[in-house]
Amino acid sequence: QVQLQESGPGLVKPSQTLSLTCTVSGGSISSGDYYWSWIRQPPGKGLEWIGYIYYSGSTYYNPSLKSRVTISVDTSKNQFSLKLSSVTAADTAVYYCARDYALDAFDIWGQGTMVTVSS
Amino acid sequence: EIVMTQSPATLSVSPGERATLSCRASQSVSSNLAWYQQKPGQAPRLLIYGASTRATGIPARFSGSGSGTEFTLTISSLQSEDFAVYYCQQYNNWPRTFGGGTKVEIK
Repeated sequence: QVQLQESGPGLVKPSQTLSLTCTVSGGSISSGDYYWSWIRQPPGKGLEWIGYIYYSGSTYYNPSLKSRVTISVDTSKNQFSLKLSSVTAADTAVYYCARDYALDAFDIWGQGTMVTVSS
Repeated sequence: EIVMTQSPATLSVSPGERATLSCRASQSVSSNLAWYQQKPGQAPRLLIYGASTRATGIPARFSGSGSGTEFTLTISSLQSEDFAVYYCQQYNNWPRTFGGGTKVEIK
């Protein structure tokens, strides 16, 4: 079955760029049926959708983060990535990657990775 | 952006009892509504999509209803493994938005 796994630094300094990668296993990221998202959850708080990418490279970002977010895909590695620039302590969160089928609900999630923004 | 409001914030229920969770959207999301369960230290798990369709492997004690702006998740007889936080999420409009969550705790 399809599994997602996030990876990347757990600590990022303020004003720097947060970079994470999600590796898809057990299936192809190039399947035309699926969209691939990043979602985050600050400690003790709720969930915030960051944006998605389709295997073709088309993207859609949450307007609240759009100016700082870039999501990219590498179909040869079956991975997609998140870059969030100019981070502050407010960006401290568990970051999840997730899959949805045809812009539907998120049916598969990675285990999440905690990113702390601190000097 | 569509604001999703969940109530109550915390629900205290005894094992074996029925739990009813509510979710309200600030504008119609049709039936494009999902429910997720999240346990401490774990990723959310999809329970319900299309407002009322159980995801693969989800027990029949979980049921969803509603359309438009008012939705309900019902757990018919709470088991010990059901104590968790539950989130609703709309996928009718961009950006996708989640409710603030309802924590179901043991009474």
